Amino acid sequence: QLQLQESGPGLVKPSETLSLTCTVSGGSISSSSYYWGWIRQPPGKGLEWIGSIYYSGSTYYNPSLKSRVTISVDTSKNQFSLKLSSVTAADTAVYYCARQSRIAVAGDYWGQGTLVTVSS
Amino acid sequence: QSVLTQPPSASGTPGQRVTISCSGSSSNIGSNTVNWYQQLPGTAPKLLIYSNNQRPSGVPDRFSGSKSGTSASLAISGLQSEDEADYYCAAWDDSLNGRDVVFGGGTKLTVL
Repeated sequence: QLQLQESGPGLVKPSETLSLTCTVSGGSISSSSYYWGWIRQPPGKGLEWIGSIYYSGSTYYNPSLKSRVTISVDTSKNQFSLKLSSVTAADTAVYYCARQSRIAVAGDYWGQGTLVTVSS
Repeated sequence: QSVLTQPPSASGTPGQRVTISCSGSSSNIGSNTVNWYQQLPGTAPKLLIYSNNQRPSGVPDRFSGSKSGTSASLAISGLQSEDEADYYCAAWDDSLNGRDVVFGGGTKLTVL
């Protein structure tokens, strides 16, 4: 059974960089059939796609976040990571990682999510 | 402001049939398939419908999806108390960047 698990600091100071890692178990991140994505959800609000990466390293970012986002993949560790720079309180959210595909647009397997709070 | 438009709320009584709409444009729903996700309180979203009307294994056939033009709908028949959740539609959007993922703003379903 595929599992995804987010990890990283739960508190980030304004103007700093948010860094999260998603560890994939029960399957290979190098499968050519899937993308690996980050989605976030501010408290009490809806879902927002941040970006996705293919195992080869090709990336796709939300245009509204593109200037601040970097997603990378480490196939040797079966992990992919998110960096979001110059964070503000508006970046406070639950961050999810997910396995995406052509038919599972936002993902068929999701991590449990991790709350990241931006505060001094 | 979400790219896909959903009603913020819907409600029904046990046993009823309810529908939730999702409106988009030619660059997303009009040219790509639609997914529906169910999010129970405090949990990650769960894929409910893919390819407009297909259910993943384990999803009850009380849930069904449809698409016409630039709009899609999720129908839930035989409403149960455990169906009380937030529901989101999602689709690929063909943009200048390639393909973005766009969501609806979500619909909170209340079982009365």
